[in-house]
Amino acid sequence: EDQVTQSPEALRLQEGESSSLNCSYTVSGLRGLFWYRQDPGKGPEFLFTLYSAGEEKEKERLKATLTKKESFLHITAPKPEDSATYLCAVQAIGQGAQKLVFGQGTRLTINP
Amino acid sequence: EAGVAQSPRYKIIEKRQSVAFWCNPISGHATLYWYQQILGQGPKLLIQFQNNGVVDDSQLPKDRFSAERLKGVDSTLKIQPAKLEDSAVYLCASSLRLAGNTGELFFGEGSRLTVL
Repeated sequence: EDQVTQSPEALRLQEGESSSLNCSYTVSGLRGLFWYRQDPGKGPEFLFTLYSAGEEKEKERLKATLTKKESFLHITAPKPEDSATYLCAVQAIGQGAQKLVFGQGTRLTINP
Repeated sequence: EAGVAQSPRYKIIEKRQSVAFWCNPISGHATLYWYQQILGQGPKLLIQFQNNGVVDDSQLPKDRFSAERLKGVDSTLKIQPAKLEDSAVYLCASSLRLAGNTGELFFGEGSRLTVL
């Protein structure tokens, strides 16, 4: 069974303090790994797709990387508006419906 | 461009009652998903439609949950009878096609259900 585990569950940082969020996954064959951002009371918002080990994607202060067992979301010099829950999801090869399996998320708080 | 619309935003019911949620996806999106998100957890796929047809409903509790997508556009998700453990946010999402190449789903704001 495909599984996604994110750590830490919650992270509190000061503005400007860089850090990384972890997403460990177990999947029979990885088609893609996805990062989403979710603000309170809102639906998830797509950030990145990563397809193969060694791939990196960047968007503003966020950079996502992928290995064969995990992905990291690096946050450089974060601002209070980066506060949100960050969700990781995987999609397995061979599943006819190509569904996404989500982790439980990391709740990030950036204090000014 | 209008996003995914859902209603109602909030619903409180007693256990054993019924409830229905409505979703209007982004225009032109062929694929529609219903996810259940329990507090503190990630979204879990309940059902996936491609146009009018069901692609995956393997995690839908079919004894109490049902969903339909008429004319390949709007969709409704119904729960009857509701249980306490159904308390969650029900998220509707759409994508241009099956979440294949990009995994980019567009989510609505969700319908929060509280079962007392």
